[in-house]
Amino acid sequence: AQSVTQPDIHITVSEGASLELRCNYSYGATPYLFWYVQSPGQGLQLLLKYFSGDTLVQGIKGFEAEFKRSQSSFNLRKPSVHWSDAAEYFCAVGGTQGAQKLVFGQGTRLTINP
Amino acid sequence: EPEVTQTPSHQVTQMGQEVILRCVPISNHLYFYWYRQILGQKVEFLVSFYNNEISEKSEIFDDQFSVERPDGSNFTLKIRSTKLEDSAMYFCASSPRVYTGELFFGEGSRLTVL
Repeated sequence: AQSVTQPDIHITVSEGASLELRCNYSYGATPYLFWYVQSPGQGLQLLLKYFSGDTLVQGIKGFEAEFKRSQSSFNLRKPSVHWSDAAEYFCAVGGTQGAQKLVFGQGTRLTINP
Repeated sequence: EPEVTQTPSHQVTQMGQEVILRCVPISNHLYFYWYRQILGQKVEFLVSFYNNEISEKSEIFDDQFSVERPDGSNFTLKIRSTKLEDSAMYFCASSPRVYTGELFFGEGSRLTVL
């Protein structure tokens, strides 16, 4: 069965510092992988996705993620965080057929220190 | 920018009562979904809907749940007889195509069952 693990429930970083949010997945075939962000009072917004090809994918708001098949990971990174990046981040996996049924991780809450 | 809108933002109900959560998906989208997030838990898939019928549903989506697209714009989730464990944030989402995983989420409807 598909599953997603985000090992870090809560991360605090200083503004301007680099960020890496971890995501590990379990899926029997080549997955579709996603990162969504949820700001307070908002819906989930797609940051980036990986379907195939280049394993380093660029997303919105300066985020990127790297797919590592050998580690079953899809970690999200940003070189320099801004206070507006404070939010909840969700990693998700979907199948290559009918990606409608996304399986989400527990989420990582990001706090930014000024 | 087009967005998915959900009403109500928060509903409090007594156990055993019927609840209808409403969603207006993005107008040219073809696929519609409901997800939920119980406080402190993962975002879970409930159901997907396409061409006026359910295309997939999870084991959570039992007989007390139903979905409907009563007109060309609204997409509703009905819970016939609410239980305490139905308390959650319910997210509606839509997508223009199914095989991309690019779901556009609403801000959610928080349901509290007393």
